[in-house]
Amino acid sequence: DAKTTQPTSMDCAEGRAANLPCNHSTISGNEYVYWYRQIHSQGPQYIIHGLKNNETNEMASLIITEDRKSSTLILPHATLRDTAVYYCIAPRRGTSYGKLTFGQGTILTVHP
Amino acid sequence: DAGVIQSPRHEVTEMGQEVTLRCKPISGHDYLFWYRQTMMRGLELLIYFNNNVPIDDSGMPEDRFSAKMPNASFSTLKIQPSEPRDSAVYFCASTTGAGSLESDTQYFGPGTRLTVL
Repeated sequence: DAKTTQPTSMDCAEGRAANLPCNHSTISGNEYVYWYRQIHSQGPQYIIHGLKNNETNEMASLIITEDRKSSTLILPHATLRDTAVYYCIAPRRGTSYGKLTFGQGTILTVHP
Repeated sequence: DAGVIQSPRHEVTEMGQEVTLRCKPISGHDYLFWYRQTMMRGLELLIYFNNNVPIDDSGMPEDRFSAKMPNASFSTLKIQPSEPRDSAVYFCASTTGAGSLESDTQYFGPGTRLTVL
């Protein structure tokens, strides 16, 4: 996978937007950026993915810079239930098809 | 769909015993993955299957670990003999490998928490 760099932890007030950054400067042109999260004691959960255009779904928005070297996951109105570890992953294509390499991620704490 | 199903949810065993973890992927998914999560090593891929065939087992720690997928709806991960350092949460995940570049959305089960005493 392309190397990704995320802050170790972030805080956010309930009801405010949570903006989680990720650097992936070595990403190749055909490699997507995926975001997963893991709530305590649960399995990882897919959030969103994108290639070069900004994406939005019912959970979050993904903003990818024009040079694709970084992206930001946005939770528009964070709730206490969004407290989790958030992983940014850029799976490498080819022989390692489908493999996801989870780094340390960002621990997001949403407080009242 | 019920999602990925894993059993048991918790397993406590003694060192030296055989442990079998089970996984039922989402119907129609043709890729199945086994992961292990510990505090020290984080979440790491052990092995994955495509159409019931093991594709990459480079993450399997040693010969004590083995995985099988006898059919499209069932897989097992076996540890024999188990050791205390095998204590971890084991996750199973599945995805539909449609052959496109977007086929990396994996759906994870709730995990099996294994404790080896």
